[in-house]
Amino acid sequence: EVQLVESGGGLVQPGGSLRLSCAASGFTFSNFHMSWVRQAPGKGLEWVSYISSSSSLIYYADSVNGRFTISRDNAKNSLSLQMSSLRDEDTAVYYCARGTATGTNFDYWGQGALVTVSS
Amino acid sequence: EIVLTQSPGTLSLSPGERATLSCRASQTVSSSYLVWYQQKPGQAPRLLIYGASSRATGIPDRFSGSGSGTDFTLTISRLEPEDSAVYYCQQYGSSSWTFGQGTKVEIK
Repeated sequence: EVQLVESGGGLVQPGGSLRLSCAASGFTFSNFHMSWVRQAPGKGLEWVSYISSSSSLIYYADSVNGRFTISRDNAKNSLSLQMSSLRDEDTAVYYCARGTATGTNFDYWGQGALVTVSS
Repeated sequence: EIVLTQSPGTLSLSPGERATLSCRASQTVSSSYLVWYQQKPGQAPRLLIYGASSRATGIPDRFSGSGSGTDFTLTISRLEPEDSAVYYCQQYGSSSWTFGQGTKVEIK
C-alpha cells in the first residue's frame, strides 16, 4: 500500500524557517517524481514545488521561489521542503504528492502537515 | 500561466440527480494534462479523472470526464450521498501545475 506521511509542521514566526519531511513507503520511491502542494485554510489547492525522480529537475511556484528548497533522499525514501523567510500567506496544510508516470498530475497524497506562520 | 476557472461555485442537488461541473482554461490545455480531484472535508485530494476522460483506479463509473481545448466537464451521473465534496480540476504546462478554485457539491 502506498503511504506518504508528512511531518515537521507547526507554528513559526514571520521571517522564520521550518523543514517539512515526507516519508514514503509501499512503492519504489526512486522511480517517481514528487511534489509539494499546499492549501490555505478554507481555500483551494496550490502547487508549490516539484522534484524529478533523480533530483535532476526542480521547479518552484513563483510565490515560493528563492525562499523554499525541495530535496529528496532516495536511499531513505524521503522528501523534504526547507522553508525560509516565511510569511503569513504561507500558512497552509502542506501535502506531499506522488507524480504519475507522466509527471503531470498526482495519484497519491499524504494526509498533510499544517504550517502556521504567525507572531 | 494558464488560469482554470470552475463553475458553478456550489452545486446543491438531490441523490440520484446528475451533476455537471465545468472547468474553463484561459488558454488551450492538452487533454492529456487535464485531471480532476475530489476532496472531502479533512481529507487529502483523491485523483478521479486523468487525461480529461479516463477514470483513475477504483473510481465508480458514475464519474466521467469530457472536453478539449479550453472547456472541460466532470459529470456525476447519479449522485450518491458520499459524493458530497469539493472537486478541483488541474492542468500541467510549462513546468507548472495549476488548479481551479473548486466546485463544492452539496447533497440535499
